[in-house]
Amino acid sequence: DAGITQSPRHKVTETGTPVTLRCHQTENHRYMYWYRQDPGHGLRLIHYSYGVKDTDKGEVSDGYSVSRSKTEDFLLTLESATSSQTSVYFCAISGGGTDTQYFGPGTRLTVL
Amino acid sequence: QKEVEQNSGPLSVPEGAIASLNCTYSDRGSQSFFWYRQYSGKSPELIMFIYSNGDKEDGRFTAQLNKASQYVSLLIRDSQPSDSATYLCAVTPSNSGYALNFGKGTSLLVTP
Repeated sequence: DAGITQSPRHKVTETGTPVTLRCHQTENHRYMYWYRQDPGHGLRLIHYSYGVKDTDKGEVSDGYSVSRSKTEDFLLTLESATSSQTSVYFCAISGGGTDTQYFGPGTRLTVL
Repeated sequence: QKEVEQNSGPLSVPEGAIASLNCTYSDRGSQSFFWYRQYSGKSPELIMFIYSNGDKEDGRFTAQLNKASQYVSLLIRDSQPSDSATYLCAVTPSNSGYALNFGKGTSLLVTP
């Protein structure tokens, strides 16, 4: 998985609780992304980062926030989880804006 | 949101045959095109990328791009049961150099 780890790999939580997912890379890539994948929708971009402390919204950013204080770490936070956020979350990295993206192993999140 | 369209399948081909996977995109300014393979329960992994019109070959895989028709395809020669997976087409949108638009994927089944 190109030096990308995600934690936790599986999580079950309850509606209304905060959740933070972590993506860690050892490739020193500048760009990092968070996607969610749902049946019938494919991969959809939540947020992305183009450098430390530089982030921007993607297609489905409502209800999510991100932070990147170090090159290697990109955090995705659900401030108050809802059942509609039950999904598989993938982190991806790339060296340049239009370069190939490499994906982490994913986190399966279930919100009850 | 620019569209990337793929036939969901399943596309079923016999072992040893050529599998042809197709993708159309609506953003005429797109410059970079990627094919990812995703096994069930796993993360997407890059198979090929193509930037220029024409064919690009890598082993049993050939990517074909026709920007005038806004069409990109992936051919898999000598298909093997291990090729059974979902294939995702991804396109760099013209209004963002930082993200990919993904199709929903085509499910390929190679039967022995």
